[in-house]
Amino acid sequence: NAGVMQNPRHLVRRRGQEARLRCSPMKGHSHVYWYRQLPEEGLKFMVYLQKENIIDESGMPKERFSAEFPKEGPSILRIQQVVRGDSAAYFCASHREDRDYEQYFGPGTRLTVT
Amino acid sequence: GQQLNQNPQSMFIQEGEDVSMNCTSSSIFNTWLWYKQDPGEGPVLLIALYKAGELTSNGRLTAQFGITRKDSFLNISASIPSDVGIYFCAGPLGSGNTGKLIFGQGTTLQVKP
Repeated sequence: NAGVMQNPRHLVRRRGQEARLRCSPMKGHSHVYWYRQLPEEGLKFMVYLQKENIIDESGMPKERFSAEFPKEGPSILRIQQVVRGDSAAYFCASHREDRDYEQYFGPGTRLTVT
Repeated sequence: GQQLNQNPQSMFIQEGEDVSMNCTSSSIFNTWLWYKQDPGEGPVLLIALYKAGELTSNGRLTAQFGITRKDSFLNISASIPSDVGIYFCAGPLGSGNTGKLIFGQGTTLQVKP
């Protein structure tokens, strides 16, 4: 049973470009969470999605950041007009229906903005 | 806002030694989780705790849900080199039971063979 998959693993963007990060949850999981991790820090919640719905985006910056989880295909975290401060590791996680907090994490996408 | 404080921030121990770390919350939790993160990888769930006073083991790892519901402890017995990594505690972020987590800042463990 494949785990949570993320791609790309590493992404380099120049300031002002767009970054698209993809996440496929574990098979059978329909809840996806995105977290951001700055160097030497713990993970910070960004957004929680179910299929075709954003449930909670309270941790996501209001500007330049958006997320979706379409009916078909992976969840996408999109960062427009990236700035150096967006450089971080971005992780997504999913969980079983009856275990909201027991989240399985993907390997992450490390975004570097130059 | 909510905060999780982990202690110690880092540990450097000899292989075979036991390890203890703890996590303190600014608010009461009904769930505690412990994760381990290896360099360049995502966190891996080690133990989940759901009841105050609960003691749960996973191999050489044992975690406890503090009686006050504002703290949790993780012990590793007879450490081995592959225990190296960052250990994070986590709990529910906010109210509403949405599954979103708040993480501590991590305890970095280094093991000398």
